[in-house]
Parts: sequence; structure tokens; C-alpha cells
Amino acid sequence: RKEVEQDPGPFNVPEGATVAFNCTYSNSASQSFFWYRQDCRKEPKLLMSVYSSGNEDGRFTAQLNRASQYISLLIRDSKLSDSATYLCVVNMGNFNKFYFGSGTKLNVKP
Amino acid sequence: DVKVTQSSRYLVKRTGEKVFLECVQDMDHENMFWYRQDPGLGLRLIYFSYDVKMKEKGDIPEGYSVSREKKERFSLILESASTNQTSMYLCASHNPHRSPLHFGNGTRLTVT
Repeated sequence: RKEVEQDPGPFNVPEGATVAFNCTYSNSASQSFFWYRQDCRKEPKLLMSVYSSGNEDGRFTAQLNRASQYISLLIRDSKLSDSATYLCVVNMGNFNKFYFGSGTKLNVKP
Repeated sequence: DVKVTQSSRYLVKRTGEKVFLECVQDMDHENMFWYRQDPGLGLRLIYFSYDVKMKEKGDIPEGYSVSREKKERFSLILESASTNQTSMYLCASHNPHRSPLHFGNGTRLTVT
């Protein structure tokens, strides 16, 4: 079983739609959670950290559910520029132990 | 903002060549990492370093070595490049205590 699992998609949505991705993790000792955005043939870029109480940054909302061991990313009012792959990253607390989901591809259509 | 800089964006090398990939970070981060990313396989850890001159093997260290002589610089060395090392190489740095990874802009290496 993979440490971090994501639905690879693609999610094809129209502009203005709301879309949500989930990411499950297997280790209950996981301590830090992040969402990254990766454009085609580019490096991953930090979108947001995920805090226990949930957090919001503009159109993006991240939530953590420790009981069910998943994190989520909600994108409201999708823009064409949101088209990318979204990577879920989990840290187990050891500095070298980052686990990556395979990424969820989002296509926002006009 | 944290800046992690990789020396080359694209690199083409021949089989058997020795290849150096350089990475520099400007935020005094203790930890630095080298990953490779391949379609269908995701990001895989090659080596990491938690201090100057300290290094630890990751999940796929075979065929690679690393050097960290200064805190800000972490080099990945392919001793004798092979075609199966054609990949996107990503350097990252990190400060402990729950902070995120910061990635360099990647080096797309092709070995012919």
C-alpha cells in the first residue's frame, strides 16, 4: 500500500466550477501536510500548508481530517490558469521522510 | 522567499560521461535533497544531506553520489551516466520543524 494516495484524474471542469481533491495517507504519525502545484515539465511549487484547523488562501481551502487520515483541497471559481497537477505531500516527522502522492491532474476548460 | 537554484535547466550527456548537477540555496537551510521524477513513478529520493559533509542514501542511490562541502550547496554526481538515468532531477531544501520542501527549478537530463 502506498504511503500517500491520490486520484490521478484528470478532473475536467468548466471555468467557474468548484472542484475538490482528496489525498489519503497511511501513517497516523504523519505530522505535516502540504499541497503543491506542478505545471507540465516544471518543478513543484508550494501552494499551501495544511493546518489542523483547516486554512484558506483566496479561492483555495485546505482541510485535514486526522481521524480518517486524509487531506483535501477545494478550489472555488476555477480559472484556466488553475490547470496543473496538484501534489499532496506528507511529512512523517523525520526530516528526510517526505511522501508524495502521484498527483491529481486538473484541466479547467473555457 | 527561499531560492533554490539548479545550475542547468536542460542537459544532454553521453553514456559513460561523469555528470555534475549543482544546487544552491540561499536560506541557510540545514537539509537538502535530490529527487528524480519520472512519469508513472512520481518523485523518488536519491540522497539527502542534513549537514555539511553529511549524507544519507535515499530510496534509489545506485549510480549516484553526492557532495556537500558548504551548507548552501549540494551536488549530485552521476559517476558514469546511463540511459536509464534520463529523468527530471529536482533539488530541494528544507528547514526542520514542519516546514515545507522548497524545490529548485529542475534539471531535465537526457543521456544518449
